[in-house]
Amino acid sequence: EAGVVQSPRYKIIEKKQPVAFWCNPISGHNTLYWYLQNLGQGPELLIRYENEEAVDDSQLPKDRFSAERLKGVDSTLKIQPAELGDSAVYLCASSKYSDSYEQYFGPGTRLTVT
Amino acid sequence: DAKTTQPPSMDCAEGRAANLPCNHSTISGNEYVYWYRQIHSQGPQYIIHGLKNNETNEMASLIITEDRKSSTLILPHATLRDTAVYYCIVRDENTGGFKTIFGAGTRLFVKA
Repeated sequence: EAGVVQSPRYKIIEKKQPVAFWCNPISGHNTLYWYLQNLGQGPELLIRYENEEAVDDSQLPKDRFSAERLKGVDSTLKIQPAELGDSAVYLCASSKYSDSYEQYFGPGTRLTVT
Repeated sequence: DAKTTQPPSMDCAEGRAANLPCNHSTISGNEYVYWYRQIHSQGPQYIIHGLKNNETNEMASLIITEDRKSSTLILPHATLRDTAVYYCIVRDENTGGFKTIFGAGTRLFVKA
């Protein structure tokens, strides 16, 4: 079974530029999560999807961050414009249902904003 | 969600048992204890979870105290590949959603 796929693995951009991250969850998983992880800290939830619907986006900075999961499968997280403080690892995870006890994480995208 | 407290780092000799403690003194009756770990440059990986009873799987054992205010994750025979950050998390099964709140975790160093 293929795991959660994320791309790119690494991205370096200049501040004020846009950037997008892509995630393909495990087949059949209805719930998809985007997390942000700063160095030395645990992941922090940005947004959670149930199929196509964003059911928890309370931690997503909506002035510059956006996300979509149009067909309830793949998802894209975008930042526009990026700021220096956005440098972090962006993790995508999926689970079969929202109350599943196990989330499966991808390897993450390491973003560096210069 | 209840908060958890973990030591920032621990060492363990290869082949010995690694015992990772977690305090969750404000846990409520319907909150489960979960453990994940994160190996360098990888995403977190689920290990085990429990409510009241001790649990064991192929990766680890989870010991929860009778008052449920603390727990211990046990890796019975630690290997170098077990070097990772271990996160203890509590969450409510009845919230109708899944909000996983990770702390800073415990960085376990397994030494040869």
